[in-house]
Amino acid sequence: SQTIHQWPATLVQPVGSPLSLECTVEGTSNPNLYWYRQAAGRGLQLLFYSVGIGQISSEVPQNLSASRPQDRQFILSSKKLLLSDSGFYLCAWSPPLAGTLNEQFFGPGTRLTVL
Amino acid sequence: KQEVTQIPAALSVPEGENLVLNCSFTDSAIYNLQWFRQDPGKGLTSLLLIQSSQREQTSGRLNASLDKSSGRSTLYIAASQPGDSATYLCAVLGGHYTGANSKLTFGKGITLSVRP
Repeated sequence: SQTIHQWPATLVQPVGSPLSLECTVEGTSNPNLYWYRQAAGRGLQLLFYSVGIGQISSEVPQNLSASRPQDRQFILSSKKLLLSDSGFYLCAWSPPLAGTLNEQFFGPGTRLTVL
Repeated sequence: KQEVTQIPAALSVPEGENLVLNCSFTDSAIYNLQWFRQDPGKGLTSLLLIQSSQREQTSGRLNASLDKSSGRSTLYIAASQPGDSATYLCAVLGGHYTGANSKLTFGKGITLSVRP
């Protein structure tokens, strides 16, 4: 069966510091991978998605970047955090082939607080 | 632009009650609709997925229906229990094409509290 991991679970960082959040998926190959942010009162917002190694698409302009160095690893980064980057970050995966159910499965999330 | 609305934002019911959670969306050109559960501080758990060609899906005490033409879905929870207390989110996968760039658009969720 497939599992998705995120770490760290919680993170408190000062403004201007760098960020690296990691997501890994087990039990599947060539998954589509996604980063979402959930901010209080705003719902889930898609930040990035990836269909393969080194292939990243950004949904919204922002202070963040994403990378996919390995098939089942997705990293969210920032060089300098802003207060507005605080939120709950969720990684998700979906099966690789178009025409499937395209159901998305979510990880446990990382709570980021920028002070 | 697809918009998903879930009203009310919060709901409190006594244990044992049957309840219906509503979801509406503005663009009926969807590929599927998913209902998720989120416990406080946790990730999302997929409850049910309805393809655009389907009318409903059932899992245990949960039943989700889809009326694509009117842009509505409902999640029916039978015989509610305190363990059902959580936030329930509805999300639609947009467009006629499915792939990684078919976006899931989420509602803001309904926070359900089931009182013992």
